[in-house]
Amino acid sequence: NAGVTQTPKFRVLKTGQSMTLLCAQDMNHEYMYWYRQDPGMGLRLIHYSVGEGTTAKGEVPDGYNVSRLKKQNFLLGLESAAPSQTSVYFCASSYFPDRGRPPQHFGDGTRLSIL
Amino acid sequence: SQQGEEDPQALSIQEGENATMNCSYKTSINNLQWYRQNSGRGLVHLILIRSNEREKHSGRLRVTLDTSKKSSSLLITASRAADTASYFCATDRGGSARQLTFGSGTQLTVLP
Repeated sequence: NAGVTQTPKFRVLKTGQSMTLLCAQDMNHEYMYWYRQDPGMGLRLIHYSVGEGTTAKGEVPDGYNVSRLKKQNFLLGLESAAPSQTSVYFCASSYFPDRGRPPQHFGDGTRLSIL
Repeated sequence: SQQGEEDPQALSIQEGENATMNCSYKTSINNLQWYRQNSGRGLVHLILIRSNEREKHSGRLRVTLDTSKKSSSLLITASRAADTASYFCATDRGGSARQLTFGSGTQLTVLP
């Protein structure tokens, strides 16, 4: 059982280039999330999805787009990368919450550098 | 903006000692969760405490929640070198928010 898998693990981009980060989960979770983690800070939510075909903005959505065409996959896109987007990106997933928020399961991150 | 703030930012202790980390937050919450992050890895859920609970235990972990002070603490007893990691609190405000807000974390180093 792989859990949450992020691809790629590392990437270096030049300013203005575009790329897509892939997140795949095999736990049949309804909810999926994209976060970024910067030095000295906790995780900040970029976008999230509560089900296949749905997405919503989080705390820091500018400069990013997402898509959830299949329940198991959540894609994060950078259309025109900027140095300020240098960060570690984490994907997480969880079941639909009922009496509270079940724990989120995290991937191991994608380390992205924008030159 | 960060909902939770952890204190201290860094903590270094000897193996066998207890480690206490504190988290303060700003708004009312549905529950508060603690996560652990080993270097270069993703976050792993440790424990969840609901707003109507005051204390919760899980193995060597003890979490307290004081909603009147908007604060929580995580105690790790009899620490081990393998407990070396960053620890984050995350608040869930419930309702339609459907998201966790993470603090900036405490870096715990347990010396053998």
